[in-house]
Amino acid sequence: DAKTTQPNSMESNEEEPVHLPCNHSTISGTDYIHWYRQLPSQGPEYVIHGLTSNVNNRMASLAIAEDRKSSTLILHRATLRDAAVYYCILRDRDDKIIFGKGTRLHILP
Amino acid sequence: EAQVTQNPRYLITVTGKKLTVTCSQNMNHEYMSWYRQDPGLGLRQIYYSMNVEVTDKGDVPEGYKVSRKEKRNFPLILESPSPNQTSLYFCASSLRTGGHYGYTFGSGTRLTVV
Repeated sequence: DAKTTQPNSMESNEEEPVHLPCNHSTISGTDYIHWYRQLPSQGPEYVIHGLTSNVNNRMASLAIAEDRKSSTLILHRATLRDAAVYYCILRDRDDKIIFGKGTRLHILP
Repeated sequence: EAQVTQNPRYLITVTGKKLTVTCSQNMNHEYMSWYRQDPGLGLRQIYYSMNVEVTDKGDVPEGYKVSRKEKRNFPLILESPSPNQTSLYFCASSLRTGGHYGYTFGSGTRLTVV
């Protein structure tokens, strides 16, 4: 079973911020939180990852709860090209990675 | 350009005819992995390799073989394909094992077994 839980789908308006939640209540102290997205007809694409502190890069921000049992991927200004399935996964030394079903993000023009 | 290359992109084959899907990366990554993606089931890991000559089973290894004789290549072998192996396959790599490293994925191989 997936170690993370995400909503099946979300909608957002173009040019507005999007907050994609992920629950990982059984996270261990050495698990990193990774986010990937999959555009239609493409392979998954790395977005961002973090351990404890919030992280920013050119694509997104990752906000990690203080107890690390949840995290939120933030797209600051959604565009139509951000419509994709977003996966939140946990990665540790044990590389049996489990991808859940992800969140399908719809962007409304 | 840093990338993971899979071949072929599309393949239709018949039950029982051995096939190999190739995966190659040009980033000197130690870790490589194969996934299959099916509607409603998400991405499931088939096999992974932490370095040359080191491979291990993922969640759905039955019916598949892999080898890692050199760092850049990680072929997926179906000795006797069956229709339930019809799926979209992705190869991925990362610099090393461990949570600090992100994956790079290939563009996928759509396999149909009739």
